[in-house]
Amino acid sequence: EIVMTQSPATLSVSPGERATLSCRASQSVSSNLAWYQQKPGQAPRLLIYGASTRATGIPARFSGSGSGTEFTLTISSLQSEDFAVYYCQQETRGTFGQGTRLEIK
Amino acid sequence: EVQLVQSGAEVKKSGESLKISCKGSGYSFTSYWIGWVRQMPGKGLEWMGVIQPGDSDTRYSPSFQGQVTISADKFISTAYLQWSSLKASDTAMYYCARQRGGYAHDAFDIWGQGTMVIVSS
Repeated sequence: EIVMTQSPATLSVSPGERATLSCRASQSVSSNLAWYQQKPGQAPRLLIYGASTRATGIPARFSGSGSGTEFTLTISSLQSEDFAVYYCQQETRGTFGQGTRLEIK
Repeated sequence: EVQLVQSGAEVKKSGESLKISCKGSGYSFTSYWIGWVRQMPGKGLEWMGVIQPGDSDTRYSPSFQGQVTISADKFISTAYLQWSSLKASDTAMYYCARQRGGYAHDAFDIWGQGTMVIVSS
């Protein structure tokens, strides 16, 4: 089973600054990697699929990169609505990472 | 509007059975796989399995194989998640979600609102 590991567990960033979240797969998943955002009391929302393609309606400040085992989600200039929990998911077998909580510094 | 609407919250006792539902609308239900995701209180997301409603081809996570049953009724555009004997550890929010692209393995682009299941011992 492929294990997805996200780091850090919690990231503190000021509004307007850049946030960089990491996701590592225990074996190659090629570009089959998705990112989701989840706010309290809400269902997750798809941000990125195929490692780097933004989902419909997702702002350009969200970008994904990587392939194989190392992936990054970058939020270029944090807005107040971006503080949430972020999950990566390997699309081939569905496994999620444990999440990164992005909090206001 | 493309949406998935899930059945309401459930409070059950250990050992009871349960079937929750997820109704799709606004798109061709049989063209996309539907998956189920568990989120235990205060915890992360866990992929449980997926089903192709057109032919009921189903794939389970090893962690959930034999613990739950995923099914679908294409004639009423509804997917189901069921338990034959609930345990207290089944207490969680359960989400259904549509896999984009019509493939067995893909990202989830549309999510239901979630069904909270509480199991008391």
